[in-house]
Amino acid sequence: NSKVIQTPRYLVKGQGQKAKMRCIPEKGHPVVFWYQQNKNNEFKFLINFQNQEVLQQIDMTEKRFSAECPSNSPCSLEIQSSEAGDSALYLCASSLSKGGTGQLYFGEGSKLTVL
Amino acid sequence: QQKVQQSPESLIVPEGGMASLNCTSSDRNVDYFWWYRQHSGKSPKMLMSIFSNGEKEEGRFTVHLNKASLHTSLHIRDSQPSDSALYLCAASEGFASALTFGSGTKVIPCLP
Repeated sequence: NSKVIQTPRYLVKGQGQKAKMRCIPEKGHPVVFWYQQNKNNEFKFLINFQNQEVLQQIDMTEKRFSAECPSNSPCSLEIQSSEAGDSALYLCASSLSKGGTGQLYFGEGSKLTVL
Repeated sequence: QQKVQQSPESLIVPEGGMASLNCTSSDRNVDYFWWYRQHSGKSPKMLMSIFSNGEKEEGRFTVHLNKASLHTSLHIRDSQPSDSALYLCAASEGFASALTFGSGTKVIPCLP
């Protein structure tokens, strides 16, 4: 069973609505990643954090997406104004390492459907 | 275009047979390669990693890496029903770089 906890498992939103997903990383893992997996299984990296600081993020994240990892609270990913193309599985992963050499531990994901 | 290309998209393998999956990066800066397995409706889980040229074996799974061609392959021998999953290849440019994933190969074991 995943030790990375994501909530909710499913969410359904109308276009233009906000969509918020949460993630509790594995205990002791300082680095958190968010990925988007679409229906064609294509993965898109969105953003990663080390503790509370953003390490890397893509342009899409900078515009309509916001994310944070406050201390002593779950990390979150929020889409300010959902679009149909945002329908996907949003996967959170945590790691002991920033990237290359670090194994990622994934949560079960939050499946977003935008009507 | 995806920087990490996997082939084939899907693979039907007789139980007891061998499955061979391919992955190539178009980014010449990548250093590290990973293979993850994602069962239907579940989260991806790391299967194997390979960082240097050559071969690495763990049980029924063998990975190869050719850094010059940025090509890695995963071989599953003695295919079992439990091998039915999406196999994802991932690569990163360096120690601090987030992984880039391919779109996966769906392995479908079948009765021989």
